[in-house]
Amino acid sequence: SYELTQPPSVSVSPGQTARITCSGDALPKQYAYWYQQKPGQAPVLVIYKDSERPSGIPERFSGSSSGTTVTLTISGVQAEDEADYYCQSADSSGTYVFGGGTKLTVL
Amino acid sequence: EVQLVQSGAEVKKPGESLKISCKGSGYSFTSYWIGWVRQMPGKGLEWMGIIYPGDSDTRYSPSFQGQVTISADKSISTAYLQWSSLKASDTAMYYCARRGDYGDFNFDYWGQGTLVTVSS
Repeated sequence: SYELTQPPSVSVSPGQTARITCSGDALPKQYAYWYQQKPGQAPVLVIYKDSERPSGIPERFSGSSSGTTVTLTISGVQAEDEADYYCQSADSSGTYVFGGGTKLTVL
Repeated sequence: EVQLVQSGAEVKKPGESLKISCKGSGYSFTSYWIGWVRQMPGKGLEWMGIIYPGDSDTRYSPSFQGQVTISADKSISTAYLQWSSLKASDTAMYYCARRGDYGDFNFDYWGQGTLVTVSS
């Protein structure tokens, strides 16, 4: 089955830049989406179609794509950005797939 | 305002049946797919399946095909996830989410989640 691979954890100091990667063979052909999930809360869409930002999401959140890897970048990380982040895409049959998730720790 | 409101937490015994719900409001319920996502304790998100309430077209993840049933009643703007015989391994938080306008496979609005606990 199709898999999206993320690092389990990323740590940054406040004000620094956090980069979270997501790798998958189908990513050159399918868009990726990113969700933020804080403890005890439902996920929130923060990036769609690899690099677009929904209304209401701070500009410090951005996304990019290169080959089989997509990257979520958070510039000027704030304490409130500490959360789990999930990438999501689909395989060729239209089956939705989530990455395993990355825990972002703000030191 | 778009809202997805899920039914409350459930505590069940192994072998029992269960149907949880997700009521949509603030948008045309029949025009958007509704998906279900499982999150086991301390674990990541898993896509279970999706339904189009307009015509009840339903797709399942291969991992959940035959394990659950997804349905919808468009007359009351509600989608459902049901089990005929629960197992302890079904203990998880279950989210419904609307497939949004941001592309083919995104979820733009999520319910608050329904915690299902299966224990003897």
